[in-house]
Amino acid sequence: AQTVTQSQPEMSVQEAETVTLSCTYDTSENNYYLFWYKQPPSRQMILVIRQEAYKQQNATENRFSVNFQKAAKSFSLKISDSQLGDTAMYFCALASGTYKYIFGTGTRLKVLA
Amino acid sequence: SQTIHQWPATLVQPVGSPLSLECTVEGTSNPNLYWYRQAAGRGLQLLFYSVGIGQISSEVPQNLSASRPQDRQFILSSKKLLLSDSGFYLCAWSVLGGLETQYFGPGTRLLVL
Repeated sequence: AQTVTQSQPEMSVQEAETVTLSCTYDTSENNYYLFWYKQPPSRQMILVIRQEAYKQQNATENRFSVNFQKAAKSFSLKISDSQLGDTAMYFCALASGTYKYIFGTGTRLKVLA
Repeated sequence: SQTIHQWPATLVQPVGSPLSLECTVEGTSNPNLYWYRQAAGRGLQLLFYSVGIGQISSEVPQNLSASRPQDRQFILSSKKLLLSDSGFYLCAWSVLGGLETQYFGPGTRLLVL
């Protein structure tokens, strides 16, 4: 069975600081993608970053970067220079083998002024 | 560029009433389309996906159904709503294929009383 686990229900970080959100996953597929989505109070899901499993290089998007550890099945998200607008729920998701995404239960991040 | 629309944005319905939620995508052809439900404070659950007109796959047995009458239109329906149908419903699209990024609409908040 494919699973995605986010073990941090809530986190907080001071504005301008760095924070890392954790995600572990399990799949028997060799070809898969991993995603981080952000859900602000408006509740629309917004893609933050995507990582293809066959790529060894960690994906980056401006202040967002991932630490992809394939052997450990770990996929953490690092947010640098945190901004108040980063306050949101963050979901880790796995896509492998089918059209079905498996989502984690989310981490609620609060950026403090 | 591609955009995805959902309506209504908010809906309050009595138990036993019918339901129709609509999702349309602009700026792309032959998309994969998805319906998700998000219960309060929880992750996303895939309800239905479609790879073409009239082609619907159901992930979770329930009193909901989906239809795709046009290439870029996806409808979620129910003949009789249950209290447990309350939640936040998200439509998403992706480029035709398996491991593709999904892009989400703004969602519909459904409250069944």
